[in-house]
Amino acid sequence: DVKVTQSSRYLVKRTGEKVFLECVQDMDHENMFWYRQDPGLGLRLIYFSYDVKMKEKGDIPEGYSVSREKKERFSLILESASTNQTSMYLCASSDHYEQYFGPGTRLTVT
Amino acid sequence: GQQLNQSPQSMFIQEGEDVSMNCTSSSIFNTWLWYKQDPGEGPVLLIALYKAGELTSNGRLTAQFGITRKDSFLNISASIPSDVGIYFCAGQSPNAGNMLTFGGGTRLMVKP
Repeated sequence: DVKVTQSSRYLVKRTGEKVFLECVQDMDHENMFWYRQDPGLGLRLIYFSYDVKMKEKGDIPEGYSVSREKKERFSLILESASTNQTSMYLCASSDHYEQYFGPGTRLTVT
Repeated sequence: GQQLNQSPQSMFIQEGEDVSMNCTSSSIFNTWLWYKQDPGEGPVLLIALYKAGELTSNGRLTAQFGITRKDSFLNISASIPSDVGIYFCAGQSPNAGNMLTFGGGTRLMVKP
């Protein structure tokens, strides 16, 4: 079975803090994705990566950056957390079209 | 960008009833996927469809890839309480590489 893990299930940070969300997959997938999920807005793509050290902006990249130094690991970075970044963050990986999701990180910024 | 219209937005049904939900688009898709998300968890892939007209089952779940390639349906037969959750459709379009477009979700509630 494909396994995608995320470093934290729940996280509380203060405004202005730098926040790191980590995602690891164990299936040697080429593609990895970061989404945020908000009530009424569905799943929105922040960034994706199709190879090590490669990244592409999604629909809402502002305020975020990413890092992919190893194939199995994709990190989402909030350079200076703001309250409007309070959300559920979901990581996914894929080989082709079928994306497999991690359990999510619920981030609260106060 | 592309939109996937998923309906209904929510359903409240009695245990044992059958459920039907669908996704439609103004554009064609090459692949349709259906996911289920339990409260506080990430979406889990239920069914993948790759060919227009394809009908695929996974236990009590049956999904179909519409002939026009612009829609897909998910049916759940004889619902049980653990079917509660949010069901999402997702489509992969010819121009989008490995990216998916997601529907807004159908929230299913089952009354025992």
